[in-house]
Amino acid sequence: DQQVKQNSPSLSVQEGRISILNCDYTNSMFDYFLWYKKYPAEGPTFLISISSIKDKNEDGRFTVFLNKSAKHLSLHIVPSQPGDSAVYFCAATPTGTASKLTFGTGTRLQVTL
Amino acid sequence: GAVVSQHPSWVICKSGTSVKIECRSLDFQATTMFWYRQFPKQSLMLMATSNEGSKATYEQGVEKDKFLINHASLTLSTLTVTSAHPEDSSFYICSAHSRSGRAGETQYFGPGTRLLVL
Repeated sequence: DQQVKQNSPSLSVQEGRISILNCDYTNSMFDYFLWYKKYPAEGPTFLISISSIKDKNEDGRFTVFLNKSAKHLSLHIVPSQPGDSAVYFCAATPTGTASKLTFGTGTRLQVTL
Repeated sequence: GAVVSQHPSWVICKSGTSVKIECRSLDFQATTMFWYRQFPKQSLMLMATSNEGSKATYEQGVEKDKFLINHASLTLSTLTVTSAHPEDSSFYICSAHSRSGRAGETQYFGPGTRLLVL
């Protein structure tokens, strides 16, 4: 039972354009959501997060949007840069679980010149 | 951000042998460490949660006798894959959690250990 889903396994975007990565979840107990970036043979690195009390959080080129009624979140990267090419995982956690994260399946982003 | 190391980074072993993977938080104290496994083109699957000085909590379907976890100090957790078989071949990643801040932001991941069982 995949509680966090990333339906697009891959995405290709031209440098300078916007990258939009999507994530859906099914567990209504999730109230904190995170995006991680992962390079091959490395551990994930934290990018940005959002609490369920917000619908948007912005940090530089990265913005995360949360639509609670649709159980959907998205990560926008603008402008996209070649160094953004990596696998992006969304993750979710319910309240009071001491950071127990449930990860999505990942989306491989390729930013082309 | 904080640094978490894993050793070894990769290991090849014969079927039936045991393999120990170390996870260290280098510049902070981790009250909780997590062990994940990632199969090719799949998500990171949480295997177990390890709290310093107490027994690990395993996720459903993870054999505690096969994947032994020890969290003896605030900076070190070990995962031992006992009697490894080819189906245990995977990428194992640990993360360490700091008490400060919110969930996830203070969960720092190690670089992972690739295990290949022949």
